[in-house]
Amino acid sequence: AQSVTQPDIHITVSEGASLELRCNYSYGATPYLFWYVQSPGQGLQLLLKYFSGDTLVQGIKGFEAEFKRSQSSFNLRKPSVHWSDAAEYFCAVGNQAGTALIFGKGTTLSVSS
Amino acid sequence: NAGVTQTPKFQVLKTGQSMTLQCAQDMNHEYMSWYRQDPGMGLRLIHYSVGAGITDQGEVPNGYNVSRSTTEDFPLRLLSAAPSQTSVYFCASSYLRGPQETQYFGPGTRLLVL
Repeated sequence: AQSVTQPDIHITVSEGASLELRCNYSYGATPYLFWYVQSPGQGLQLLLKYFSGDTLVQGIKGFEAEFKRSQSSFNLRKPSVHWSDAAEYFCAVGNQAGTALIFGKGTTLSVSS
Repeated sequence: NAGVTQTPKFQVLKTGQSMTLQCAQDMNHEYMSWYRQDPGMGLRLIHYSVGAGITDQGEVPNGYNVSRSTTEDFPLRLLSAAPSQTSVYFCASSYLRGPQETQYFGPGTRLLVL
């Protein structure tokens, strides 16, 4: 079955500290992987995406993610977290063109000062 | 471009009432979809469309109808609302030209069914 697992429901990180959000997927075909961020009361914004090629992808707002096929993982990282990064983060897997996305349940990030 | 727009932003319904959630995009995208977001559940696909006149079911289609008469619009209809349909609904759209395309999400409609 196709699925996305985000093991951490809630993470708290100190401002300036590094961040890693975990994502594991199960997908029968070649996975197209995405990370989205959602601020409270807002829609979803795409942070980055992976389709093929270099397994380390760079996104907006200083985020990056690494695709590891052997581990079926696509973890999101940021070297130094800012208070404005507090939000909910969703990992998703889909087919070509990002249609019919399957989302994880999300990880809520809190940033402490 | 206005992007993806959704109306209304918030709606309260009584059980058994019907309503239509509107979604429009001005980017000439072929693909449009509806998701619902519930706490702790992420987003789940309700229905999608790959072009005018073509629709298909997603993961949670029961209780919802859609049609796509134009490229721009993709309304979601609740024929007889139930409390289980209380949720936040997101519409999204994208091109179907290749793997580099990205889905764009609307701001959402918050629906409360009493």
